[in-house]
Amino acid sequence: RKEVEQDPGPFNVPEGATVAFNCTYSNSASQSFFWYRQDCRKEPKLLMSVYSSGNEDGRFTAQLNRASQYISLLIRDSKLSDSATYLCVVNGGGGTASKLTFGTGTRLQVTL
Amino acid sequence: EAGVAQSPRYKIIEKRQSVAFWCNPISGHATLYWYQQILGQGPKLLIQFQNNGVVDDSQLPKDRFSAERLKGVDSTLKIQPAKLEDSAVYLCASGTHLYNEQFFGPGTRLTVL
Repeated sequence: RKEVEQDPGPFNVPEGATVAFNCTYSNSASQSFFWYRQDCRKEPKLLMSVYSSGNEDGRFTAQLNRASQYISLLIRDSKLSDSATYLCVVNGGGGTASKLTFGTGTRLQVTL
Repeated sequence: EAGVAQSPRYKIIEKRQSVAFWCNPISGHATLYWYQQILGQGPKLLIQFQNNGVVDDSQLPKDRFSAERLKGVDSTLKIQPAKLEDSAVYLCASGTHLYNEQFFGPGTRLTVL
C-alpha cells in the first residue's frame, strides 16, 4: 500500500460546481496533514493545513478522519482559477525525523 | 519577503555527466528540503536538513546523489554520474520547523539525454 494515495483524476467540472477529493494514508502515527496546490509547471504552494476538527477557508473545506485514515478537500462554487493539481501531504510521524510524503496529486479542470 | 531561490532553472546534460543545483532558502528558515518530482508524480523527498545537519536522507540514492548545507544556509545537490531516469524537476523547499509549512522554490528542470 502506498503511503499516501490519491485518485489522479482528472476531475472535469463546470464552473460553480462542488467537487471533493479524498486521500488515504497508511501511517497511523502521522501527525500533520496538508493540502498543497500545484499549477502546471509551477512549484507547489500550501493551500491549507488540515486539523482534527476540520477547517474551512472561504470556499475550501478540509476534513480529517483519523479512524479511517483519510483526508478530504471540498471545493464549493468552483472557479476557472481553481484548475490545478491538488496534492495531499502527510507528515510521516515518528518524532523529529518525520518527513512530508506527497501523494501523486489529483488534477482538477474547471470548465465554462 | 524574498522566496526560495534556485539555480539554474533549466539544465540539459548527457548521461554519465555531472550536474549541481543550488538553493538559497528564505532567510531565517532552519529546515531545508530537496525533492525530486518526475512528470505526473508528486514530489519525492530526497533529503532534509535542520540547520546544517541531515535529518533524513533515506530516499537519496547515495551512490550518485550528494547534498550539503555547510553553513546552515544555502545548499547544493549534486548528481554524479547522471542517468536517463534522473530527468525530473528538482525542488528545494524551506521552513521554520519540521512540522510547519514548506515554501518551495521554482525548481530546476533537468533533462538527461
